[in-house]
Amino acid sequence: DGGITQSPKYLFRKEGQNVTLSCEQNLNHDAMYWYRQDPGQGLRLIYYSQIVNDFQKGDIAEGYSVSREKKESFPLTVTSAQKNPTAFYLCASSDGPGQGHGDTQYFGPGTRLTVL
Amino acid sequence: GENVEQHPSTLSVQEGDSAVIKCTYSDSASNYFPWYKQELGKGPQLIIDIRSNVGEKKDQRIAVTLNKTAKHFSLHITETQPEDSAVYFCAASSGAGGTSYGKLTFGQGTILTVHP
Repeated sequence: DGGITQSPKYLFRKEGQNVTLSCEQNLNHDAMYWYRQDPGQGLRLIYYSQIVNDFQKGDIAEGYSVSREKKESFPLTVTSAQKNPTAFYLCASSDGPGQGHGDTQYFGPGTRLTVL
Repeated sequence: GENVEQHPSTLSVQEGDSAVIKCTYSDSASNYFPWYKQELGKGPQLIIDIRSNVGEKKDQRIAVTLNKTAKHFSLHITETQPEDSAVYFCAASSGAGGTSYGKLTFGQGTILTVHP
């Protein structure tokens, strides 16, 4: 059963703690993305990766870090430097350019992070 | 960079009526326009998309139209059903095809409510 999985579904963190959100895909997609969604707002891009061992900052990268050691995995760490981390975090993936539909992004179910 | 405006922010219709959601974009280089449906607590699901070489695309009760001159595109849902109730997002990308990955810029979302 192909798709994108995110874990955990709900996450609670104390102020000052780092926390890592998991994202795994078995679609053999080259590119992976992390978005943040706040109530009543659209999705904002945090980081994206086009290939293993390479990633770029999105529009709101401050206070976040990522790694891409494997094609199927793209974990996001929310650091204590992120001033307002409570949000719904969404991971997505897309096929590579030259595959016909490299822009089409498919989303995981999301992780809701709450800072206590 | 790209800016996408989406209207209306909320839309309420009776079952069986049509619903129309409109988006405008700013970057004339944008050439890929997907629409996503997001149910409460879940990740967005791609429902239809259109590329700039096409003016209209239809899939059963859902259609999307694109006016590149005016830089706007619209989602049309006919014969609405209560299960169509969700948040709908439009997006635009300038990287379709070629050798680059398209970065999606999202609209703010429309909450659609279909009353039985």
